[in-house]
Amino acid sequence: DAGVIQSPRHEVTEMGQEVTLRCKPISGHNSLFWYRQTMMRGLELLIYFNNNVPIDDSGMPEDRFSAKMPNASFSTLKIQPSEPRDSAVYFCASSSDMWGQPQHFGDGTRLSIL
Amino acid sequence: AQKVTQAQTEISVVEKEDVTLDCVYETRDTTYYLFWYKQPPSGELVFLIRRNSFDEQNEISGRYSWNFQKSTSSFNFTITASQVVDSAVYFCALAPNSGGGADGLTFGKGTHLIIQP
Repeated sequence: DAGVIQSPRHEVTEMGQEVTLRCKPISGHNSLFWYRQTMMRGLELLIYFNNNVPIDDSGMPEDRFSAKMPNASFSTLKIQPSEPRDSAVYFCASSSDMWGQPQHFGDGTRLSIL
Repeated sequence: AQKVTQAQTEISVVEKEDVTLDCVYETRDTTYYLFWYKQPPSGELVFLIRRNSFDEQNEISGRYSWNFQKSTSSFNFTITASQVVDSAVYFCALAPNSGGGADGLTFGKGTHLIIQP
């Protein structure tokens, strides 16, 4: 079975540009999560969706970040405009929508903002 | 508020030694789930185990074992007879009681485990 698929794997762009990260969850999983990993802050939850509905976006750093889930098989995380401090590895994860189910992670997108 | 503390930033042992990774958590919830994930040098996050707060039985899976003690809010992970392939960053994580639906995880900062040949 295919796991969580993220694209692109690597992204290098200049400050001020719009960045779009993409995620395809595991088929049948109703919950989708976006995390960010940095050396300073570790792994932090940005936002998550249950059944395509955003439940908690309190981890989104600021208005420059937005996330959508237009259907059960696709989600995007957008940064506009990007800044060097946004450089990090962004992970998408999915699980069933029952409490306590393990989350399965994609390989991550390594984002570098110059 | 939830908090997970992994006080050991880095541990280095020689192959075949046993090693224990510590995890201490804080939560006001009376029910919760705890998890361990492995992040090898290739960067992906691999699920290892979950434990419900109701279940304090220790668990063993091959060379891996987990000791959950609710009284001390700890969920420690032991690797027996370590191997070079165990070298990775290991994360402990907590899922609060969200009232039935899925919820985001609170991760510790991770322990970088180095197994030297």
